[in-house]
Amino acid sequence: TQLLEQSPQFLSIQEGENLTVYCNSSSVFSSLQWYRQEPGEGPVLLVTVVTGGEVKKLKRLTFQFGDARKDSSLHITAAQPGDTGLYLCAGHTGNQFYFGTGTSLTVIP
Amino acid sequence: DVKVTQSSRYLVKRTGEKVFLECVQDMDHENMFWYRQDPGLGLRLIYFSYDVKMKEKGDIPEGYSVSREKKERFSLILESASTNQTSMYLCASSQAGRWDTEAFFGQGTRLTVV
Repeated sequence: TQLLEQSPQFLSIQEGENLTVYCNSSSVFSSLQWYRQEPGEGPVLLVTVVTGGEVKKLKRLTFQFGDARKDSSLHITAAQPGDTGLYLCAGHTGNQFYFGTGTSLTVIP
Repeated sequence: DVKVTQSSRYLVKRTGEKVFLECVQDMDHENMFWYRQDPGLGLRLIYFSYDVKMKEKGDIPEGYSVSREKKERFSLILESASTNQTSMYLCASSQAGRWDTEAFFGQGTRLTVV
């Protein structure tokens, strides 16, 4: 089993604040992905990062892949209530996805 | 619009019953997966299949079996349901052989075993 640990597990912030979520593993992955899951739905892909040190931006979300391709971070600037959800990182290697433990984000208006 | 469809959103079953969870994808994907999601534990892989009639055990296969008779359909079977199998079950599919492939998920089945 290849484990990915996410921190924090829960995060409750006010609208407009910034936040960072971390995803760490002892394993190297071909790529690392971030998904968001809303209540009652399956996870949906936000981004895939492949190269060590890679940074991708998706509007107010910034994703970074660690130099050694074992860890990643998700930074949200000026959080909005619509960002509320469960954020999951996933390491991809071969044909398998290894999911993190998840970070539950609540953005309070 | 690409889709992974799970047959039920909510199920309530009695202890000892045989339970079938069905999943169908319309993307001609080779790979299909069954995960179980519990608070604080993330998604744990039960079984996956990379081709018709092929299956591989994931991290928590005990008490479960699977069937893939057709490429688009992947079924999860609880041979004799127990209360500790109460959980959210997620099916996913992905295209094989691509480094940038993504997992497409169904909406989930919340199973309660009483």
